[in-house]
Amino acid sequence: DGGITQSPKYLFRKEGQNVTLSCEQNLNHDAMYWYRQDPGQGLRLIYYSQIVNDFQKGDIAEGYSVSREKKESFPLTVTSAQKNPTAFYLCASINEGHGYTFGSGTRLTVV
Amino acid sequence: KQEVTQIPAALSVPEGENLVLNCSFTDSAIYNLQWFRQDPGKGLTSLLLIQSSQREQTSGRLNASLDKSSGRSTLYIAASQPGDSATYLCAVYNNNDMRFGAGTRLTVKP
Repeated sequence: DGGITQSPKYLFRKEGQNVTLSCEQNLNHDAMYWYRQDPGQGLRLIYYSQIVNDFQKGDIAEGYSVSREKKESFPLTVTSAQKNPTAFYLCASINEGHGYTFGSGTRLTVV
Repeated sequence: KQEVTQIPAALSVPEGENLVLNCSFTDSAIYNLQWFRQDPGKGLTSLLLIQSSQREQTSGRLNASLDKSSGRSTLYIAASQPGDSATYLCAVYNNNDMRFGAGTRLTVKP
């Protein structure tokens, strides 16, 4: 079955450490997105990519970086510059005729 | 900038009741609107997608309507069940951007 796979499910980051969240899709979708979700809040857009080798900042891109070397993959790096990284991170891709498909998420915690 | 609001923030109903969740948005020039369900600690599951040219979509006990001119959508759940307990989010899509409401947390009591 087609879908989006996010890994790991849980991730712990030490102060000053960079960590990378994986997002892989086999839906053949061109556009992929990263969102952050905090308790009681809606989803906020971090980065998105419409095509390979191109990506755009969302509303809260500071402290994050992405790459899009392959259509199937859109990894997100949470850098040490992100001072409050504890959150639930969701990756999505879109087919405009069928809407968004989301992965199961990665919960990142600073220890 | 598109803003999406969902009312109420939380709702508790007895099993079997019909209910309506509301979603409003500020910019009516949308491409589509999508309703999602989110269980605690999980990703979002798509429930219904309404294209801008459509007025409603139905799936089983769920019916979603869209009124672009007034900037509103409703999600109707018939004969609610405890398994419907979750957070329901609406999202609107336009200009390569999707904006989400903060969600309505639904509890259906047996």
